[in-house]
Amino acid sequence: AQSVTQLDSQVPVFEEAPVELRCNYSSSVSVYLFWYVQYPNQGLQLLLKYLSGSTLVESINGFEAEFNKSQTSFHLRKPSVHISDTAEYFCAVRYNFNKFYFGSGTKLNVKP
Amino acid sequence: DGGITQSPKYLFRKEGQNVTLSCEQNLNHDAMYWYRQDPGQGLRLIYYSQIVNDFQKGDIAEGYSVSREKKESFPLTVTSAQKNPTAFYLCASSIGPGEETQYFGPGTRLLVL
Repeated sequence: AQSVTQLDSQVPVFEEAPVELRCNYSSSVSVYLFWYVQYPNQGLQLLLKYLSGSTLVESINGFEAEFNKSQTSFHLRKPSVHISDTAEYFCAVRYNFNKFYFGSGTKLNVKP
Repeated sequence: DGGITQSPKYLFRKEGQNVTLSCEQNLNHDAMYWYRQDPGQGLRLIYYSQIVNDFQKGDIAEGYSVSREKKESFPLTVTSAQKNPTAFYLCASSIGPGEETQYFGPGTRLLVL
């Protein structure tokens, strides 16, 4: 069965420090990869996605993720986090026609 | 302003009662989805619909039912057969089958009295 693994359930970090949220998926077949962000009691918002082309993708608020096919990973990084980045982040993979698989989420807690 | 709306924001269910969660979109998307979110488990697919009058079961469809009579609406009914309904329910849509990006509504939290 296909799966998406987010190894860290919680990541505490101080403001202006760098952060990496890890995501691994189970198959090396062609995939589309996504990171979503969820603020408390809200739906998910698309942060960034990899469909094809350059393996490094960026969001408008300074996050970036790199698709690594050999390691089946799509880790999310930000060089300097803000308090407002505190949220839960979900990695998602689309393997099949209309079938998405979501990781269990990583709660990013940015401390002043 | 285009988007996905879900109502109500909070819903309470009594034992043995069926309840219906609303999901409406004005994005002109063909495909719609229902997910259940439990703490520490991410999102699990309940049902999805690629086109009006058609829908398929997801990974955890037991105890749930849906309909897709209109393109913009995809209501989810949580039946009395669903023994553990307490969760956060998220509706999503995408332009069409095969479209890679899903857009999410704000969610409905269902609680059992």
